[in-house]
Amino acid sequence: KAGVTQTPRYLIKTRGQQVTLSCSPISGHRSVSWYQQTPGQGLQFLFEYFSETQRNKGNFPGRFSGRQFSNSRSEMNVSTLELGDSALYLCASSLQTSGNYNEQFFGPGTRLTVL
Amino acid sequence: AQSVTQLGSHVSVSEGALVLLRCNYSSSVPPYLFWYVQYPNQGLQLLLKYTTGATLVKGINGFEAEFKKSETSFHLTKPSAHMSDAAEYFCAVSDRGGGGNKLTFGTGTQLKVEL
Repeated sequence: KAGVTQTPRYLIKTRGQQVTLSCSPISGHRSVSWYQQTPGQGLQFLFEYFSETQRNKGNFPGRFSGRQFSNSRSEMNVSTLELGDSALYLCASSLQTSGNYNEQFFGPGTRLTVL
Repeated sequence: AQSVTQLGSHVSVSEGALVLLRCNYSSSVPPYLFWYVQYPNQGLQLLLKYTTGATLVKGINGFEAEFKKSETSFHLTKPSAHMSDAAEYFCAVSDRGGGGNKLTFGTGTQLKVEL
């Protein structure tokens, strides 16, 4: 079974631009979560989508948004990029068949560099 | 709010020596507990998890961790370090019940294995 895939793997943007990152979960997985990883702040939860609805949200400004499609693929968008948005963005998917914990599987990440 | 503390941002051991990576959590209710490993330019891989049952949890690659409620700890150990264990290790927690997959991570411990 194919793992979580993220595209693109690397991205370079300039300040003020916007960017869209894509995540394809493992087949059958309905929950997709996004995390930002930076040297200064570490790994921080952005948001989680389940059945096309945002279920959880971290403490990030409104410039960070996401969505999930009917096939469970997810995208996250960052508008008006700032230098501090340079980070590794990780996506994770889980089966989520019940309210109990379901293991999350992480993708390789998208490395975003803002110049 | 939950929090995770990893003592020691860098740990160095000799090949064959014991590996001990420390993790303490702060939560009003014992959460689900995890250890993840991250190799350079890769996503996160789950080493082991504690959700319920036996407090000594065995994971992949010879790692294990023990949940100690009285100490709010979940330290990671491996009896004999191998060069291939060199990586960054993250302790994480998530809420029990209520659905959702939000992980709160510690700041990570970089493990160096020397000959």
